Amino acid sequence: EDQVTQSPEALRLQEGESSSLNCSYTVSGLRGLFWYRQDPGKGPEFLFTLYSAGEEKEKERLKATLTKKESFLHITAPKPEDSATYLCAVQARSGGSYIPTFGRGTSLIVHP
Amino acid sequence: GAVVSQHPSRVICKSGTSVKIECRSLDFQATTMFWYRQFPKQSLMLMATSNEGSKATYEQGVEKDKFLINHASLTLSTLTVTSAHPEDSSFYICSATVTIWRRDKWNTEAFFGQGTRLTVV
Repeated sequence: EDQVTQSPEALRLQEGESSSLNCSYTVSGLRGLFWYRQDPGKGPEFLFTLYSAGEEKEKERLKATLTKKESFLHITAPKPEDSATYLCAVQARSGGSYIPTFGRGTSLIVHP
Repeated sequence: GAVVSQHPSRVICKSGTSVKIECRSLDFQATTMFWYRQFPKQSLMLMATSNEGSKATYEQGVEKDKFLINHASLTLSTLTVTSAHPEDSSFYICSATVTIWRRDKWNTEAFFGQGTRLTVV
């Protein structure tokens, strides 16, 4: 069974305090790992897709990396507006379909 | 990025009535859309995969007669919660994936609707 585990569940940072969020996964036939940002009461906002171990992607203060077992979302010098829940999802192939499986998310709060 | 529009954003209905939620891909064609349910402080739980022109594929434990999915066109999927009860109150979200050619390879990106907050009273 495909599993996605995110840690920590919650993270509080001071503005400018860099940190990393972890997404560990076990899946057969990985076709992609996604990172999303979700604000309260809204749908997830796409951030990155990673496909293969060693791949990295960056967007502003965020950098996502991927290994064969986990992915990290690095947040450099975060600002209060980075506060949100960050979701990780893996997309594996099940039969002829690509089925996404989500982690429970990491709730990030950045204090000014 | 691609835009997925979900409507309504909030709905309150009486117990026993049915509610329809629409999910539209505005600037691309989506042969496959996904419907999720999300409880407070929980992750997204996949309910079903909606396939254009064919029956939806439901996840284990999801009642297909209660959550009717219709994917009649390449830009529209609907989820109808039939005979709603208070326990159906939740945040429902749709998504669609787009596969595009970029930087010499195919990249799959998934985009989500804004979500629908359903409250059954």
